[in-house]
Amino acid sequence: AQKVTQAQTEISVVEKEDVTLDCVYETRDTTYYLFWYKQPPSGELVFLIRRNSFDEQNEISGRYSWNFQKSTSSFNFTITASQVVDSAVYFCALTRGKIIFGKGTRLHILP
Amino acid sequence: DAGVIQSPRHEVTEMGQEVTLRCKPISGHNSLFWYRQTMMRGLELLIYFNNNVPIDDSGMPEDRFSAKMPNASFSTLKIQPSEPRDSAVYFCASSLTGGSNEKLLFGSGTQLSVL
Repeated sequence: AQKVTQAQTEISVVEKEDVTLDCVYETRDTTYYLFWYKQPPSGELVFLIRRNSFDEQNEISGRYSWNFQKSTSSFNFTITASQVVDSAVYFCALTRGKIIFGKGTRLHILP
Repeated sequence: DAGVIQSPRHEVTEMGQEVTLRCKPISGHNSLFWYRQTMMRGLELLIYFNNNVPIDDSGMPEDRFSAKMPNASFSTLKIQPSEPRDSAVYFCASSLTGGSNEKLLFGSGTQLSVL
């Protein structure tokens, strides 16, 4: 069975702090894809990043970085020097045919 | 590109009424997905189409829900009769071919309230 767990339901940090959102997944497949999406208060879901199971190289995009570790089945997302505009719900997802979303982590960045 | 367009943005109806949600995918995208988002269950895939053909409708809750895609640029999700437990945000998303490696592009969603 495929499953995505985002254990952190809600996180609050003060602006400029770093914050890491955890994502742990379960799958028996050797080929799969992992995604992160952002859902700001306006409601739409926005694609952030995609990673395939054969590419464990970490990625950095500005203040965002992603740490993919197959050994621990984790695909964690770190925001460095957080800003109020980062406040949103963040979803991790796993795809192998069907797309399975985690329950999301609601992130509050306090000014 | 206008993105995925959903209508209406908000719908308030009374129990027992028919509700129709509409979606226009991105031009050139061949796959379309309908999702439902609630606090309790998170994001659930209801159904997805590839080249206008329903591929997987195993997520459709029950016979009260139906979805159609008469052409490549339009899809509807209908609930008949609606019930208060159907209250949720319904998202439509599209992708180029529906492959596992493709990102989904989402519409703004329809907030449905069934009283």
